[in-house]
Parts: sequence; structure tokens; C-alpha cells
Amino acid sequence: DGGITQSPKYLFRKEGQNVTLSCEQNLNHDAMYWYRQDPGQGLRLIYYSQIVNDFQKGDIAEGYSVSREKKESFPLTVTSAQKNPTAFYLCASHSLGGYTGELFFGEGSRLTVL
Amino acid sequence: KQEVTQIPAALSVPEGENLVLNCSFTDSAIYNLQWFRQDPGKGLTSLLLIQSSQREQTSGRLNASLDKSSGRSTLYIAASQPGDSATYLCAVLWGSNYKLTFGKGTLLTVNP
Repeated sequence: DGGITQSPKYLFRKEGQNVTLSCEQNLNHDAMYWYRQDPGQGLRLIYYSQIVNDFQKGDIAEGYSVSREKKESFPLTVTSAQKNPTAFYLCASHSLGGYTGELFFGEGSRLTVL
Repeated sequence: KQEVTQIPAALSVPEGENLVLNCSFTDSAIYNLQWFRQDPGKGLTSLLLIQSSQREQTSGRLNASLDKSSGRSTLYIAASQPGDSATYLCAVLWGSNYKLTFGKGTLLTVNP
């Protein structure tokens, strides 16, 4: 079945360490997104990408980095520069061109900084 | 700036009541607008999608409308049930840059 897979589901990190969250989709979607969710804050956009080897900063990109070397993969690195990284991270995707609109989400990754 | 606002932030109603959730957006050049539901500790479930050229969409007890000129969408829930209790999120896909922006959501509680 097609879908988006995020891993790991839970991750613990010590302060000062970089961590990478994986997002893989087998839906042949062009556009992919990373969001951060904090209580009472809704979903805030970190980075997004519409094509391979291209991506744009969202509203809260500082302290994060991404890559889009393959269409199906959009990993997010939370760097030590991110001041408050403990949060729930969601990856999403949808198709462009003939787009009917449905946005697909992964199940999320919960990062806790100790 | 491309922003999405949802009002109210929280809503509590008795079972059986009809209710309306509101979403407003600052740029009328949208590609589409989508309503989602999120249960506590869970991911998002898509409810309704309205394309830019459409005025409304319906699914069961849910009806979503879109008025681009006024920058507003509403989600109407008929005959609410306790199982409808969740956070409802509105998301706008902007036509100029394909950026996808969410509102902060409305926390709905339906009391038996």
C-alpha cells in the first residue's frame, strides 16, 4: 500500500547532538513538507520541496536542514543550533500536476531532548 | 504575508447541536483548502478538500464552504456526536508558491 513512512517514531537526544528524521513516500508525490507541532501552536512549516534538489524555507527553518536527493525521500536534520527541539514532527506530501488535492501525512516522530 | 486563522480556538457544545468552525486566510490566490481532524496524540485525518474553483464540498454530516473573495472557509458539522470531539485544522495551499499553511486549529468538545 502507498503511503508515507516516518522514522523513528520516538527519539531521544542529548543536548548538542544533531539528529536526522527520515521521511519516505512511495506515492510518487512531487511536493513534500516538514512540520513541527507544539501544544496550542498548530502545525508550523519548517521546510518544503516541490522537486528533487530544490527546497524552500518555511516559517521556522532556523536550526533545521533538509535534503531532497531523491523524489521519494525528504530527511530532516535537527541541528544543535535549534534552541527548543523537543516537539512532534510531521512529514507530508502531495502530487502536483493533475493534483486532486489530497495531502498525505506520516504518523510523526516525537523528539525529546534530554 | 500568507496566514491562516481559525476561530474559535475552542468550542464546547451539547450532543446533537449543529455547529460551524471558521477559517480565514490572507491571500485569495489559493490552490485549495483542506480540513483535517486530529485526535489527541494522533496524526491528521483528511476530512474535506475544496479546490480553488469550488464553493463547497460535503461528506456525510460535514459540509465545507469556500469564499475566496472574502478569504473565508467554514466547516459545518450537523447533529454533533461525542465522537466528533477532536481538534479541527484548516490548511491552505497557496497558488503562488505551493507553500502549505495550517491554522492553529479549533478544539471541539461534544458533551453527551
